[in-house]
Amino acid sequence: IAGITQAPTSQILAAGRRMTLRCTQDMRHNAMYWYRQDLGLGLRLIHYSNTAGTTGKGEVPDGYSVSRANTDDFPLTLASAVPSQTSVYFCASSVDRGGADTQYFGPGTRLTVL
Amino acid sequence: AQSVTQLDSQVPVFEEAPVELRCNYSSSVSVYLFWYVQYPNQGLQLLLKYLSGSTLVESINGFEAEFNKSQTSFHLRKPSVHISDTAEYFCAVAGAGSYQLTFGKGTKLSVIP
Repeated sequence: IAGITQAPTSQILAAGRRMTLRCTQDMRHNAMYWYRQDLGLGLRLIHYSNTAGTTGKGEVPDGYSVSRANTDDFPLTLASAVPSQTSVYFCASSVDRGGADTQYFGPGTRLTVL
Repeated sequence: AQSVTQLDSQVPVFEEAPVELRCNYSSSVSVYLFWYVQYPNQGLQLLLKYLSGSTLVESINGFEAEFNKSQTSFHLRKPSVHISDTAEYFCAVAGAGSYQLTFGKGTKLSVIP
């Protein structure tokens, strides 16, 4: 089934540990995104990628890094996790990074940092 | 820059009753408008969107939204809700020519049997 997969589904992590959230899409979309969803705050963009080999910062990039080595994969890394990074993380993709493009979302990763 | 305000964080409604979820936006340029829905423990999925043309847009499951430029609104309506409509609904806006999609904080719709 075409779409976006994310791994892990959930994770409990000790503060200070390094963690990579994985995201893979099979729709050959050019643009990909990482959001975090927090209660009462909606979705906030962390990082994005217009196409393979390029990335950019969103609204809340501090403490996170991304890479886009190929079209399909867009991992999000927390170099040294802190409790404020406890959240649900969603990866999304769209054909291109245009305002009119529909974004397609993965099922999310629930991360708890203790 | 653009912003989105969803006026209600929670909306309880009885089954088969009508519902309206309110969304107002601000932008200095023309906009594209979206409603996304998130069912429990799932990711978001597009419900409907306005890009241009007719100001009334419809989804396949009976929701509709009307773009009102003068009131800068894009309210979501359904004349008769079902239990299966229980979800969180997010309004989002992108400025024409912009790459940034801005989401509202969401409205939780609870349909009561």
